[in-house]
Amino acid sequence: DIQMTQSPSSVSASVGDRVTITCRASQAISSWLAWYQQKPGKAPKVLIYAASTLESGVPSRFSGSGSGTDFTLTISSLQSEDFATYYCQQGNSFPYTFGQGTKLEMK
Amino acid sequence: EVQLVESGGGLVQPGGSLRLSCATSGFTFNTFAMNWVRQAPGKGLEWVSTVSESGGGTYYADSVRGRFTISRDNAKSTLFLHMTNLRAEDTAIYYCANRSPVRSCDYWGQGTLVTVSS
Repeated sequence: DIQMTQSPSSVSASVGDRVTITCRASQAISSWLAWYQQKPGKAPKVLIYAASTLESGVPSRFSGSGSGTDFTLTISSLQSEDFATYYCQQGNSFPYTFGQGTKLEMK
Repeated sequence: EVQLVESGGGLVQPGGSLRLSCATSGFTFNTFAMNWVRQAPGKGLEWVSTVSESGGGTYYADSVRGRFTISRDNAKSTLFLHMTNLRAEDTAIYYCANRSPVRSCDYWGQGTLVTVSS
């Protein structure tokens, strides 16, 4: 099985900050990677798919990069509505796996 | 508007069974593979199962293989998850979601809570 390791597990930041979350796969997954945002009590929402393609309607301050085993999600200028938990997910092979999540908290 | 609405969750004793349903609308159901993803209380997301567009291909997490069965009714645009021999560790919110051509989950339901407890 492919293990997905996110870092950090939590991060404290302020509005306007630039935030980067990383996701490392235990083996190469090409660009079969998606990023999700989840707010308390809500279903996840896809932000980025195919490692770097922004989902329609998602603000351009979100961006994704990487291929193979190392990926990043960057929020260029944090807004108040961005405080949430973020997950990566690999779709390269079954069983699909998610990272453990990164909780983005207000400093 | 795309809608996915899960139902069928509830309280069940260990060893019991439940069948979850996910009624969909607003997209061409039979052109998407479909997923079940769960989230235990206070925990992260866990992929559970995927069914192919036709229903002929099914895939399971090791934690549920042999106990859960995914299926679909393309005529009714509905996804199912039949869960048997339930364990306390199956307690979670169960979400249905499509699988896009790039293998992300674009559309999600609101989830249905399954609680396994005596």
